[in-house]
This record gives sequence, structure tokens and C-alpha cells, in this order.
Amino acid sequence: GAVVSQHPSWVICKSGTSVKIECRSLDFQATTMFWYRQFPKQSLMLMATSNEGSKATYEQGVEKDKFLINHASLTLSTLTVTSAHPEDSSFYICSASSGLLGETQYFGPGTRLLVL
Amino acid sequence: EDKVVQSPLSLVVHEGDTVTLNCSYEVTNFRSLLWYKQEKKAPTFLFMLTSSGIEKKSGRLSSILDKKELFSILNITATQTGDSAVYLCAASGGSNYKLTFGKGTLLTVNP
Repeated sequence: GAVVSQHPSWVICKSGTSVKIECRSLDFQATTMFWYRQFPKQSLMLMATSNEGSKATYEQGVEKDKFLINHASLTLSTLTVTSAHPEDSSFYICSASSGLLGETQYFGPGTRLLVL
Repeated sequence: EDKVVQSPLSLVVHEGDTVTLNCSYEVTNFRSLLWYKQEKKAPTFLFMLTSSGIEKKSGRLSSILDKKELFSILNITATQTGDSAVYLCAASGGSNYKLTFGKGTLLTVNP
């Protein structure tokens, strides 16, 4: 149980394009979803927290107009990187939690983004 | 500012050795301490600890929390090469069960 999927797993795009990443909880309803970014050999940095049906809460230093988050249902959240630039290249990971599962966050497999 | 510090940052051992990974935390409205294992992809959940002094065990892995000293350890006995990974410690606090992660301990188990 507690499986989270992410799509796509890899994306390569040109500078200036927008990229959408989907995060789905497959066997539970995720009241809260989290988006992280991880640079090589560094730990996970929380970008934003989203609750179903409400606006995401962004961490300090994360541009909300650049990283658009939508949590439209209890099983789906999307992160759109708008006008991507090479410095946005990173490993993006989502996680999901549910009141019924307690505080444990279950992670998706991650999406590697390379912006050329 | 919430902070989680892990030590050592990296560790190289031989198969069969026992290792202890350390995690200290300073988190506002602390709720729980979580351990994850990260290989090449996203982290996989190992343990969640909420009470002091109660050891959680899963096979060769065990973990314990000290809420007075704001500290947790993860033990791995009889290490195997498959245990090679980054082990992440995270503290949950505040609203929305937000996690603050440490930088991780890179464990390498050589045959």
C-alpha cells in the first residue's frame, strides 16, 4: 500500500518551454502533497506544500509564478515549471500523506528534468 | 529555523559490520522523526518514531528516538552490499506535517 507515482520519469526540454510533472497517489487519498527538489549530492529541499482544493504554500525563495502547483483532486497534484532555464535542471520529487496514514510521507519515484 | 543534522556524512564499511547513523534535530512543534533510504531514485520509508526510548525494528535495521536530547540513531547490523545507499533523517513539525531533511549519510558497504 501507499504507492505514489510520478510522470514523466525523465524530461529533456529546451530553455523557455514549460514542463508539467504529475504526481498521483495510487491506493490512498492524499490530503496533502509535497514537492521537493534535489540537486546532485544534496538533500531534499521542500518547494511547496499543497492541500487538495486550496492554494499551495511555497517555501521561502521559491517563485510561485515559476513553479505552478495544482492539487485538483485527492489523488493528483501537478507541478508546472514555466519558462524553464538550465538552472532549473534538477531531480523533482513529490510525496503524499494522508490523515489515515499518519504523518509519514510516501515518495514518488522522482522526475529528472534537464533543460538545454 | 528548523534544522536536522546527520553524521557522519559518509561511511565505508565491510560486509558484516554494524553501523550507527546519527541524527540531531531542532524543529518547532516537533511531531515525529522519520528515516528514509535513498538509492538512485526517490526515498523509501524505513521508520517513523514519535515516542522516546521505544526501539523500532525491521530485520537488521533498528532505530530509537531521544526526545530529551533531540536525537535519533539508526543501526544496521550485519551489513550487506545492498545496504549501500544514502540514509536520510527527517523531522516533522508545524502544520501540514512538513518535513525538514538532513543532508543524509552516504553508506558504502564493500564486499
